[in-house]
Amino acid sequence: GQQVMQIPQYQHVQEGEDFTTYCNSSTTLSNIQWYKQRPGGHPVFLIQLVKSGEVKKQKRLTFQFGEAKKNSSLHITATQTTDVGTYFCALGAGSYQLTFGKGTKLSVIP
Amino acid sequence: KAGVTQTPRYLIKTRGQQVTLSCSPISGHRSVSWYQQTPGQGLQFLFEYFSETQRNKGNFPGRFSGRQFSNSRSEMNVSTLELGDSALYLCASSLRDSGNTIYFGEGSWLTVV
Repeated sequence: GQQVMQIPQYQHVQEGEDFTTYCNSSTTLSNIQWYKQRPGGHPVFLIQLVKSGEVKKQKRLTFQFGEAKKNSSLHITATQTTDVGTYFCALGAGSYQLTFGKGTKLSVIP
Repeated sequence: KAGVTQTPRYLIKTRGQQVTLSCSPISGHRSVSWYQQTPGQGLQFLFEYFSETQRNKGNFPGRFSGRQFSNSRSEMNVSTLELGDSALYLCASSLRDSGNTIYFGEGSWLTVV
């Protein structure tokens, strides 16, 4: 089945710095989703990207889907302590058999 | 609107025992899927149910099974527990099918000793 590589595995940033996590696939994706999981919590859906070259923003979060639909990124501007958690990309298949990346664990140093 | 409810939240079992986990989806949601989360393997798909039918199954041994009831509530069962089954088991529900946002429950933390 399809797989996705997510990097980096860990990222430590000073509060106020930017943060980016990347997902890469060797095959063309029909769509990609992003989730956030706070420490001790459960994954929470953030967004779904479907179109080639799509860019969506949610306040300080910017999501991009590559032109070839083989990669995606999540960028957080001016991180805050509330951004702490693990960010996952996920490939959606029919009937919601999601294939998750390994996640990027973000730590924010106040 | 109540979210996805999973019970029990925490449990400890002994190797060889079996366990049943329960999931109540958001009202009106008919698709329920299950995931296993471990530090080593990450989030892995177990199976998905829609209208009491299993539509998809992940790559897990037959010891892992599930079912869905007519009210969309779902249960998953793990028999002959192994130490490696220790994990967070997450249930997720959605309205119908692809294109609908899925919502995860808080999960059931299973420890096998």
